Amino acid sequence: DGGITQSPKYLFRKEGQNVTLSCEQNLNHDAMYWYRQDPGQGLRLIYYSQIVNDFQKGDIAEGYSVSREKKESFPLTVTSAQKNPTAFYLCASSPSGSGNTIYFGEGSWLTVV
Amino acid sequence: AQSVAQPEDQVNVAEGNPLTVKCTYSVSGNPYLFWYVQYPNRGLQFLLKYITGDNLVKGSYGFEAEFNKSQTSFHLKKPSALVSDSALYFCAVREGYSSASKIIFGSGTRLSIRP
Repeated sequence: DGGITQSPKYLFRKEGQNVTLSCEQNLNHDAMYWYRQDPGQGLRLIYYSQIVNDFQKGDIAEGYSVSREKKESFPLTVTSAQKNPTAFYLCASSPSGSGNTIYFGEGSWLTVV
Repeated sequence: AQSVAQPEDQVNVAEGNPLTVKCTYSVSGNPYLFWYVQYPNRGLQFLLKYITGDNLVKGSYGFEAEFNKSQTSFHLKKPSALVSDSALYFCAVREGYSSASKIIFGSGTRLSIRP
């Protein structure tokens, strides 16, 4: 099946730990994105990447890091510097070009325990 | 700077009645406009988009949206609501002139369809 796969669906993190959320796409899309969604809230952009080996900070990048070593993969690391990481994280991808649709994965819930 | 507003946090409609979810936008150039739907604990699903051409855009699940340049609006509509349409709806906008422009999402509108 073609699409965007996020894993794990649910993740629990202890205080002070770094955790990595996986995002893989087999749509051959150039651009990939990470968004954060808090309960009842809209989406906030964390990081995005338009090509391999390049990425830019979004609106709330502090406490997060990413890499884009392969076209298909855009993992997000939530570091211990992120003070309030409990949220729903959404990965997305799109072909290059501003008129192209962004497609989303099914999301990952991160909870700090 | 580009922005998008969804003025209603919640819209309540009886099943079988028409529904409208409102969206207004602000961009400096030509807008590319999108609607998405989100069911609980799921990702966003693409419904429809306006890039250019006919102001009335038809999308998935019987939804349509009308682009109104003078009112800078892109309201989502459906002639007859279903209970299964109950979900969270997001409008999004992107400036069309640059492939580097970011897509901006509205805060979302919760649509509730009562039987």
